[in-house]
Amino acid sequence: DTAVSQTPKYLVTQMGNDKSIKCEQNLGHDTMYWYKQDSKKFLKIMFSYNNKELIINETVPNRFSPKSPDKAHLNLHINSLELGDSAVYFCASSPPLSYEQYFGPGTRLTVT
Amino acid sequence: AQSVTQLDSHVSVSEGTPVLLRCNYSSSYSPSLFWYVQHPNKGLQLLLKYTSAATLVKGINGFEAEFKKSETSFHLTKPSAHMSDAAEYFCVVSGGPNSGGSNYKLTFGKGTLLTVNP
Repeated sequence: DTAVSQTPKYLVTQMGNDKSIKCEQNLGHDTMYWYKQDSKKFLKIMFSYNNKELIINETVPNRFSPKSPDKAHLNLHINSLELGDSAVYFCASSPPLSYEQYFGPGTRLTVT
Repeated sequence: AQSVTQLDSHVSVSEGTPVLLRCNYSSSYSPSLFWYVQHPNKGLQLLLKYTSAATLVKGINGFEAEFKKSETSFHLTKPSAHMSDAAEYFCVVSGGPNSGGSNYKLTFGKGTLLTVNP
């Protein structure tokens, strides 16, 4: 299936741990994104990569570090997890010269 | 700078009646506008998009939206609601083609929860 996929779908961990979320798209898109959706369903962009180059870096704690090994993958690593990091994280991608984005199914992160 | 205001946090309709979800936007550029839908515990799906072509935009599942520059609005409508339309709806603005580095950046509204009563 052609899609944006994320792993894992659910992630439960304790405060202070380090975790990673992976994202892959096989749509041939050049641009990928990470969004955070809080408990009130508000979505905010965190990062964007275009062809492995960082183009958007919103005000996000340094504990969050995106990595794009190639244009089909954009991973999110989070150090020293905090309770406030609990949220649903969405990956998205968009084709060249287009503003519409295609979203993955989300990763629900719960920090206890 | 760009922003989106969804005027209703919750809209409740009966099955078979019209749906109206209201959205106002603010943008320094000619914007691109989108509506996305999120069903419970699912990802976001693009319903429709406006990118400076026809002002009346038709999307999937019978939804449509009209871009009104004079009113800075992009309201979503559907003539007859179906139970499967129950979901969270997000109005979204991007910077558009002349917005430089922000043209990739989507700004989301806070969402409107649509419930459909039998």
